[in-house]
Amino acid sequence: DIQMTQSPSTLSASLGDRVTITCRASQSVSTWVAWYQQKPGKAPKLLIYKASTLESGVPSRISGSGSGTEFTLTISSLQPDDFATYYCQQYNKMWTFGQGTRVEIK
Amino acid sequence: QLVESGADLVKPGGSLRLSCAASGFDFSDHSMAWIRQAPGTGLEWISFISHSGRTIYYADSVKGRFIVSRDNAKNSLYLQMNSLRDEDTAIYYCARSPLRVAAYFDSWGHGTLVTVSS
Repeated sequence: DIQMTQSPSTLSASLGDRVTITCRASQSVSTWVAWYQQKPGKAPKLLIYKASTLESGVPSRISGSGSGTEFTLTISSLQPDDFATYYCQQYNKMWTFGQGTRVEIK
Repeated sequence: QLVESGADLVKPGGSLRLSCAASGFDFSDHSMAWIRQAPGTGLEWISFISHSGRTIYYADSVKGRFIVSRDNAKNSLYLQMNSLRDEDTAIYYCARSPLRVAAYFDSWGHGTLVTVSS
């Protein structure tokens, strides 16, 4: 099974900060990685697929990069709507999610 | 839109059937999946079914106990859950893959809570 390891588990940041979340795969998944945002009591929402393709309607301050085993999600200027938990997911071989990164207000 | 139903409190060893009603898109053109989230924890993919229903995958944690199916004529996805365990307690989401490919999930239901407890 492919494991996805996210870091950090929790990230404290202020409005306007640039934040980066890292996801490492236990083996190469090419660019078959998606990123989701989840708010308390809500279903996850797709942000990024194929490592760097922005889903329609997702603000351009959010971006993704990486290939192989290392991936990043970056928010260029943190906004109030961005405080949430973020999950990476590989879909190269079956499906595996990272354990999540909670972005909280500093 | 995806709407799950079937939430209930079930005793260990019991069974439950979840449903997911799809609307607003051509259900028969999309592969689907079930993903769960135990209280306070992360997301766990548990089952996938192709658009035709001919290809099915399960996570090891539910293999042999859960059965996924779909009825394209009724725009519905199902999850038959048998031999339930305490650790199956979770919110269960149905999710859609883009078109017929097995990929990421671009639309999710609101989730339905399954509680397994004696």
